[in-house]
Amino acid sequence: RKEVEQDPGPFNVPEGATVAFNCTYSNSASQSFFWYRQDCRKEPKLLMSVYSSGNEDGRFTAQLNRASQYISLLIRDSKLSDSATYLCVVNPNAGGTSYGKLTFGQGTILTVHP
Amino acid sequence: DAGVTQSPTHLIKTRGQHVTLRCSPISGHKSVSWYQQVLGQGPQFIFQYYEKEERGRGNFPDRFSARQFPNYSSELNVNALLLGDSALYLCASSPRYRGTSGYNEQFFGPGTRLTVL
Repeated sequence: RKEVEQDPGPFNVPEGATVAFNCTYSNSASQSFFWYRQDCRKEPKLLMSVYSSGNEDGRFTAQLNRASQYISLLIRDSKLSDSATYLCVVNPNAGGTSYGKLTFGQGTILTVHP
Repeated sequence: DAGVTQSPTHLIKTRGQHVTLRCSPISGHKSVSWYQQVLGQGPQFIFQYYEKEERGRGNFPDRFSARQFPNYSSELNVNALLLGDSALYLCASSPRYRGTSGYNEQFFGPGTRLTVL
């Protein structure tokens, strides 16, 4: 089983749509969680950290369910500029050699069309 | 403020050669991590350095090595290159070794695209 699993998509949605991405992780001891976005042939950029109580940043809402080891990202009112690959990221941050290790899912491709 | 910088941006090598990639973290950041991203996959963790010491190592062969300098910049070295080493190599910096609250966001540089022929 992969440490972090995402539906690779692709998701093709019209402008203004709401789209949701899901992610599961295998290490129950994981302590911090993130969503990154990556544009084609560019570096990953931090979109938002994901907190246990859930958090929102404008049109983006992230949820974490530790019991189910499940993370989600909701994008409302999609824009053309939201087209990118969305990476679910987990940091065990649990000591030993794990502090700096970000574990990435393979990414979910989103295309927003006019 | 300048972000993470990496050099070179692109590199073409042949099998068996070695390569050195360089990274300068965001000013004030003391931790540098290296990742390898092959096409169609998420980045894979290679190393983390903090205060010039290796603090983490991923599942990569000994052909991969790295070091961190007193100014917190870092080098990644890969010896005896294989075709499978062709990838985007990403450097990420963070201010701390670990998050005091469990969160320690990492910020990525633009990467070095390595092609091995």
